[in-house]
Amino acid sequence: NAGVMQNPRHLVRRRGQEARLRCSPMKGHSHVYWYRQLPEEGLKFMVYLQKENIIDESGMPKERFSAEFPKEGPSILRIQQVVRGDSAAYFCASSPGRDRVSEQYFGPGTRLTVT
Amino acid sequence: KQEVTQIPAALSVPEGENLVLNCSFTDSAIYNLQWFRQDPGKGLTSLLLIQSSQREQTSGRLNASLDKSSGRSTLYIAASQPGDSATYLCASPRTGANNLFFGTGTRLTVIP
Repeated sequence: NAGVMQNPRHLVRRRGQEARLRCSPMKGHSHVYWYRQLPEEGLKFMVYLQKENIIDESGMPKERFSAEFPKEGPSILRIQQVVRGDSAAYFCASSPGRDRVSEQYFGPGTRLTVT
Repeated sequence: KQEVTQIPAALSVPEGENLVLNCSFTDSAIYNLQWFRQDPGKGLTSLLLIQSSQREQTSGRLNASLDKSSGRSTLYIAASQPGDSATYLCASPRTGANNLFFGTGTRLTVIP
């Protein structure tokens, strides 16, 4: 049973470009969480989605960031016009259902570097 | 707002030593607390989960305790091994929250 998959594992973007990070949840999981880990900091919640629905985006910056989880395919975290401060590790986690926040399984992360 | 703090930020011990990692949280309205391990370049692995009604959980050489009234949890590692070297994170969801609140982690190095 494959775990949570994230790709790419490493992404380098120049300032002003767009970054797209993908997350495929564990089989049977319908809920996805995105977290960001800045250097030397803990993970910070960004957004919580189920298929075709954003449940909680209270941790997402209001500008340049968006997330989706379509009916088919992976969840996508999109960062437009990246800046150096966006350089971080972005982790995705999935859970089997709503209100099962403590049953999150984490992917290996995507390390974004903005040059 | 929940804030989770971990002390120390880094710890280096010789192999075989017993050690304790600390986690403090500001909002006691939690319904459980988890300890994770993070290896460089990899994701997080859940080690132990303590429900709010429990005081401790054990798994092999690991023992985690929870004291909600004081807002503290500890992770005890017995007879440490070089393979235990990693960053250890504690995390908790507040009651009603849709996400985990993470501490900043303790980077552990076990010296052979």
